[in-house]
Amino acid sequence: GQNIDQPTEMTATEGAIVQINCTYQTSGFNGLFWYQQHAGEAPTFLSYNVLDGLEEKGRFSSFLSRSKGYSYLLLKELQMKDSASYLCAVRTYNTDKLIFGTGTRLQVFP
Amino acid sequence: NAGVMQNPRHLVRRRGQEARLRCSPMKGHSHVYWYRQLPEEGLKFMVYLQKENIIDESGMPKERFSAEFPKEGPSILRIQQVVRGDSAAYFCASSPPGTGGWDGYTFGSGTRLTVV
Repeated sequence: GQNIDQPTEMTATEGAIVQINCTYQTSGFNGLFWYQQHAGEAPTFLSYNVLDGLEEKGRFSSFLSRSKGYSYLLLKELQMKDSASYLCAVRTYNTDKLIFGTGTRLQVFP
Repeated sequence: NAGVMQNPRHLVRRRGQEARLRCSPMKGHSHVYWYRQLPEEGLKFMVYLQKENIIDESGMPKERFSAEFPKEGPSILRIQQVVRGDSAAYFCASSPPGTGGWDGYTFGSGTRLTVV
């Protein structure tokens, strides 16, 4: 089976940097995705990693280590609008579906 | 290019009634995925469909739930004889044919089902 773990809640201050970790256990790994979800809204795609290393996209970066089953999402220069849930999801070779962790609710304070 | 369209946005049903949730994928997308999200929880996979085929229904409850994606028209998630525990947000996502890339998996705005 698959197991995906991420912290339930995190808090940070506007302008700061926050790192949200995700660990996973799966067979046939074929990509890790990060989504952002504001309360009552649809998840929106943030990043995708399939090879080890860091992917940078503006204020957001995502890192993957396949040997450790570990990823993190790094958010820089935090803004109030970054208060949301951040969902880590894994895809496997035998199916196209994404399996999600429970999500990390981030609150940004002024 | 419209995104993934789900309707209705909100649905209220009495216990024992049927709920029908609709999802129209993005243009050019032939893969549809349904997810359920309970309050304060993550997205739980339910079913993965391609046109006229159920590919993976490992997340579907064994009874009362069914899904289809006909050749023409939207994908339908049907819940028969709803119970209070079915109250949740149901999200649909779509992706284009083929795998291996990041693009795809676009989510709709969801249907919030409330069973009273």
